[in-house]
Amino acid sequence: DIQMTQSPSTLSASIGDRVTITCRASRSFSTWLAWYQQKPGKAPTVLISKASSLDSGVPSRFRGSGSGTEFTLTITSLQPDDLATYYCLQYDTYPWTFGQGTKVEIK
Amino acid sequence: EVQLVASGGGLVQPGRSLRLSCTASDFTFDESVMHWVRQAPGKGLEWVSTMTWDGSSIGYADSVRGRFTISRDNAKNSLYLQMNSLRAEDTAFYYCTKSTRGDSWNPGAWGQGTLVTVSS
Repeated sequence: DIQMTQSPSTLSASIGDRVTITCRASRSFSTWLAWYQQKPGKAPTVLISKASSLDSGVPSRFRGSGSGTEFTLTITSLQPDDLATYYCLQYDTYPWTFGQGTKVEIK
Repeated sequence: EVQLVASGGGLVQPGRSLRLSCTASDFTFDESVMHWVRQAPGKGLEWVSTMTWDGSSIGYADSVRGRFTISRDNAKNSLYLQMNSLRAEDTAFYYCTKSTRGDSWNPGAWGQGTLVTVSS
């Protein structure tokens, strides 16, 4: 099984800051990684698919990158609406696995 | 707009069974990859199972393999999750989700979730 280790578990940043969240995989794979945003009390929404492909309707300040064992979600300029928990998901190999989540707080 | 309505959750005793259903509308169900994802209260997301449109690819989380079975009825636009030998750790909101991109199987659209509570 591929284990996904996400870091940090919590981060606090100011409006306008550049924010980076990392997922490290226990073994290498290429592109089948997605990023999700979950706001309190809501179902998750997809931000990025195939490691770096922005999903429809997602603001361009969200960027995905990486391959192999390290993948990154970057928010280029943090906005108040970005208060949420973010998860990565590897869907390269069954069983698919989520990272543990990163809670983003606004300073 | 895609509609995914999950039902069948509730309170069940350990060791018993429960069947979740998901009724889909406003998209071509028989061309869609479907998934179940769960989330224990206050915890992170856990992928449970995936099934392709024709059943040619099915996957399960290690934690449910051998106890849970995913199925679908394309004629009824419905997805199911048969859950047997339920445990306290299966307590969670269960989300029915679908892939939304033709080039990627990951969940894209999510329903509202149904709560399963396993307790004596």
